Amino acid sequence: QKEVEQNSGPLSVPEGAIASLNCTYSDRGSQSFFWYRQYSGKSPELIMSIYSNGDKEDGRFTAQLNKASQYVSLLIRDSQPSDSATYLCAVNRNRDDKIIFGKGTRLHILP
Amino acid sequence: DTGVSQDPRHKITKRGQNVTFRCDPISEHNRLYWYRQTLGQGPEFLTYFQNEAQLEKSRLLSDRFSAERPKGSFSTLEIQRTEQGDSAMYLCASSPSLAGADTQYFGPGTRLTVL
Repeated sequence: QKEVEQNSGPLSVPEGAIASLNCTYSDRGSQSFFWYRQYSGKSPELIMSIYSNGDKEDGRFTAQLNKASQYVSLLIRDSQPSDSATYLCAVNRNRDDKIIFGKGTRLHILP
Repeated sequence: DTGVSQDPRHKITKRGQNVTFRCDPISEHNRLYWYRQTLGQGPEFLTYFQNEAQLEKSRLLSDRFSAERPKGSFSTLEIQRTEQGDSAMYLCASSPSLAGADTQYFGPGTRLTVL
């Protein structure tokens, strides 16, 4: 089992709709979870961090964490063409406190 | 600009040559990380520093790779005798705390092409 798993996509969502991105992780001891956005040819940019079970909202973005299911998601409301990018899920590995990245999900917002 | 900076942004080199990349972290950030990213993959951890101490080096890093952070500020990553398989984006990130689980802020990256 991979440490951080994401569907590679592409995920196509109409403009204005909600985009839902999912991530599962294998380390039950993980405490910190991050979502990064990466445009083609650019470096990752932090969007959200979440540390507790439940939802965390920031503008159009909502991160959801369920530690029992080892699942973290990112919702993007009112999707815009500028949201088209690769979204990386990152999780800290408890045994050595290192952050492990998934391969990312490519999101395409259809105008 | 007070973000993480990297230099150069692009490097094209011939196989067998040595290359050195520089990273300037956000001021007063204790931790500095180097990652490598290839197309379609997430960033892969290479090594990290807490202040000037190199605390861990990935098994991905062969003996041809070396990194330093001599004064606990900027860092350099050197690749000796480059190979075509070294072609990738090399990312630097810094983190403000002594805990590895804290947020990391990435620089723009150095894209290496080995011919």
